[in-house]
Amino acid sequence: DAGITQSPRYKITETGRQVTLMCHQTWSHSYMFWYRQDLGHGLRLIYYSAAADITDKGEVPDGYVVSRSKTENFPLTLESATRSQTSVYFCASSESVTSRGGQPQHFGDGTRLSIL
Amino acid sequence: SQQGEEDPQALSIQEGENATMNCSYKTSINNLQWYRQNSGRGLVHLILIRSNEREKHSGRLRVTLDTSKKSSSLLITASRAADTASYFCATDPTTDSWGKLQFGAGTQVVVTP
Repeated sequence: DAGITQSPRYKITETGRQVTLMCHQTWSHSYMFWYRQDLGHGLRLIYYSAAADITDKGEVPDGYVVSRSKTENFPLTLESATRSQTSVYFCASSESVTSRGGQPQHFGDGTRLSIL
Repeated sequence: SQQGEEDPQALSIQEGENATMNCSYKTSINNLQWYRQNSGRGLVHLILIRSNEREKHSGRLRVTLDTSKKSSSLLITASRAADTASYFCATDPTTDSWGKLQFGAGTQVVVTP
């Protein structure tokens, strides 16, 4: 089925470990986004990508790395996890934003990450 | 930075009543979007309103935008238990790359039968 899927849904890891969160979309959307959601902060943008091999930092990029070798995949890696990165992570995608009109974003169901 | 701020933070109403929530923002925008999030799920897009628009409707949803006051409101009419969710406004600022939305902290709506 078409859509955006994130894996894993739940992950527990230890501080200092590397962990990669996966995101896959079947719409061939150009834009993809990673957010984290914490109580009291709403969603904050970590990284976004306008196309394959084009990525840019968002509001809270420190400690995270992204890549986008294929249009449909946008993995997020925590190189050395810290407890402050315990959060719910959402991936989203949208069609190209080429005008002032904007485009709606389509979200996955998130990965709940706990770092002990 | 949190561009949009929703008010109230929480809202409890009975089925059939209307629910109104507001969003204020700080900088000029290209558009403003409203999303719904059910518990344990991702956000679902509801309505996008552009900066040159004042009102939009979608089913039981009505969104207004007042750019002079930098505010928007979302009205849900004849609410149902299934409307229980958190609602977020998101702004697409003109000062930044298009598409990089800034979300508020949300309004938690509970609709009781």
